Amino acid sequence: GAVVSQHPSWVICKSGTSVKIECRSLDFQATTMFWYRQFPKQSLMLMATSNEGSKATYEQGVEKDKFLINHASLTLSTLTVTSAHPEDSSFYICSARDGTSAAQYFGPGTRLTVT
Amino acid sequence: AQSVTQPDIHITVSEGASLELRCNYSYGATPYLFWYVQSPGQGLQLLLKYFSGDTLVQGIKGFEAEFKRSQSSFNLRKPSVHWSDAAEYFCASGGGADGLTFGKGTHLIIQP
Repeated sequence: GAVVSQHPSWVICKSGTSVKIECRSLDFQATTMFWYRQFPKQSLMLMATSNEGSKATYEQGVEKDKFLINHASLTLSTLTVTSAHPEDSSFYICSARDGTSAAQYFGPGTRLTVT
Repeated sequence: AQSVTQPDIHITVSEGASLELRCNYSYGATPYLFWYVQSPGQGLQLLLKYFSGDTLVQGIKGFEAEFKRSQSSFNLRKPSVHWSDAAEYFCASGGGADGLTFGKGTHLIIQP
């Protein structure tokens, strides 16, 4: 089946620093990847849509200058949380759209803790 | 705008009993519909999806779901649950070139 990986699986960083999260589709090409955020015991909220070779599209209320998204290849998208604050602590999950089936396959998530 | 409603926040079922998790969607056209399962601290695993055609969809782990346009519903069912089915279940709509809209999730508890 389609596999999506994320790295790192968890990260702790100090307030004010930046952290990069990688999302890879391992056995298929993903022209579109999505980034979601999940707070404890809550649902997933779409943050942005990332298309290979073009600028990401951000959902209303998501700061594009804070959450930098790059989709440089058909198998890799990165999310960089810049100048992180404790309120950015969350579970970040990416998904990759399989161009053949249109289904979205999710990565295992990255737990970010900002101290 | 699309919306997905999962009316039940928690559901408790005895092991071996049948299960039905409710999902209602709001969308102008026929949506793409999905059910995902999430175990604690884990990502999401796709159980099944509906795009078109047969309204009864079979998924993995013995799950099935039925699309009912007249009721705007896509309920998930399993005839006999196992303790390992305890998890958070999310219904979602959308897909294609768009991100998914998720319901708030239903926490499934299995009683021995």
